[in-house]
Amino acid sequence: EAGVAQSPRYKIIEKRQSVAFWCNPISGHATLYWYQQILGQGPKLLIQFQNNGVVDDSQLPKDRFSAERLKGVDSTLKIQPAKLEDSAVYLCASSDQEYEQFFGPGTRLTVL
Amino acid sequence: GEDVEQSLFLSVREGDSSVINCTYTDSSSTYLYWYKQEPGAGLQLLTYIFSNMDMKQDQRLTVLLNKKDKHLSLRIADTQTGDSAIYFCAERTNAGKSTFGDGTTLTVKP
Repeated sequence: EAGVAQSPRYKIIEKRQSVAFWCNPISGHATLYWYQQILGQGPKLLIQFQNNGVVDDSQLPKDRFSAERLKGVDSTLKIQPAKLEDSAVYLCASSDQEYEQFFGPGTRLTVL
Repeated sequence: GEDVEQSLFLSVREGDSSVINCTYTDSSSTYLYWYKQEPGAGLQLLTYIFSNMDMKQDQRLTVLLNKKDKHLSLRIADTQTGDSAIYFCAERTNAGKSTFGDGTTLTVKP
């Protein structure tokens, strides 16, 4: 079974620029998560989708971050404009069961 | 709000047992997890335990849960150099929200 795919793996941008990340979950997984993992910290949930509906986006900085999940499959996370403190690894995960999430390799974002 | 705390570092010798500890605050946690993260990789689920269990054993891994004290531990028997990684404790609440600790870096010395 193919795992969760994410692209790009690395991205370097300057502050105030825009950036987008893409995630392809495991086939058939209804739930998709985006996490932000700052260096030295654990992942923090940004947004959770169930199919193409948002379940939880309480920790998403909505003034600059947006996310969508088209047709309940792939998802994109966008930052516009980026700030220095957005430098982090952005992890996508998917699940079809209550207890297990499968994580992708992440996108490492550096904002200069 | 929910909070999960772990010690930051642990160093052991190859062949010894490792014990990584975690405390959490949310009494409505339904599942508690241990994840492993190697450099440049995503998180890999090692094991999980339901909140109504005290212990779970899976090969070299033993998870102990003290629900009264909200304390979770992961014991790795016969620790190998390949076990060197960051280990994250996480809880999942009734509302379906997962909260992660900041990870314990395990270093295994030959």
